[in-house]
Amino acid sequence: AQRVTQPEKLLSVFKGAPVELKCNYSYSGSPELFWYVQYSRQRLQLLLRHISRESIKGFTADLNKGETSFHLKKPFAQEEDSAMYYCALSEGGATNKLIFGTGTLLAVQP
Amino acid sequence: NAGVTQTPKFRILKIGQSMTLQCTQDMNHNYMYWYRQDPGMGLKLIYYSVGAGITDKGEVPNGYNVSRSTTEDFPLRLELAAPSQTSVYFCASSYSTGTGVTDTQYFGPGTRLTVL
Repeated sequence: AQRVTQPEKLLSVFKGAPVELKCNYSYSGSPELFWYVQYSRQRLQLLLRHISRESIKGFTADLNKGETSFHLKKPFAQEEDSAMYYCALSEGGATNKLIFGTGTLLAVQP
Repeated sequence: NAGVTQTPKFRILKIGQSMTLQCTQDMNHNYMYWYRQDPGMGLKLIYYSVGAGITDKGEVPNGYNVSRSTTEDFPLRLELAAPSQTSVYFCASSYSTGTGVTDTQYFGPGTRLTVL
């Protein structure tokens, strides 16, 4: 069965430290992977997607099919990065359905 | 554009009551979705719709019904509310270009429902 695992409920780092939010997936085909983010008192929104291979707000994520991972990284954390981060997987096709992980709360301390 | 709007923001129901959660989008998106999020869990898909008049079940459809009579509206109906339906409900929409690439989903602010 398709599954997305985010092993850390909470990740606390100091400002300026590197950040890595872990995401592993289980899917037999070729998945599309996404990171969605929810800042305090804001809506859930797309941060980045693996097919774009772009950096958003300094964050990057590389799809590693061998390790079935899609970890989110940023070299220097900022306080404004504090938020809830969700990794999501799509089977593609006609429905656009997403399977979400349980989320990781990133807390960046000053 | 308001994007995706949901009403109400909060609601407390008694066991056995019914209610409808409203969702409207003004982006002319063809796809719409309903998710629920239980504490400490990820979002789980309840129902989705790929266009007016077309709906289908997601992962956790039991206890819910939906309809999609217009492109803009996608209400979620709870019949005979149960404590297990206490959750935060999110509506989302996306515009599918039919290319097979998954499109960005745009979320509403959520409805916090408590069933006592």
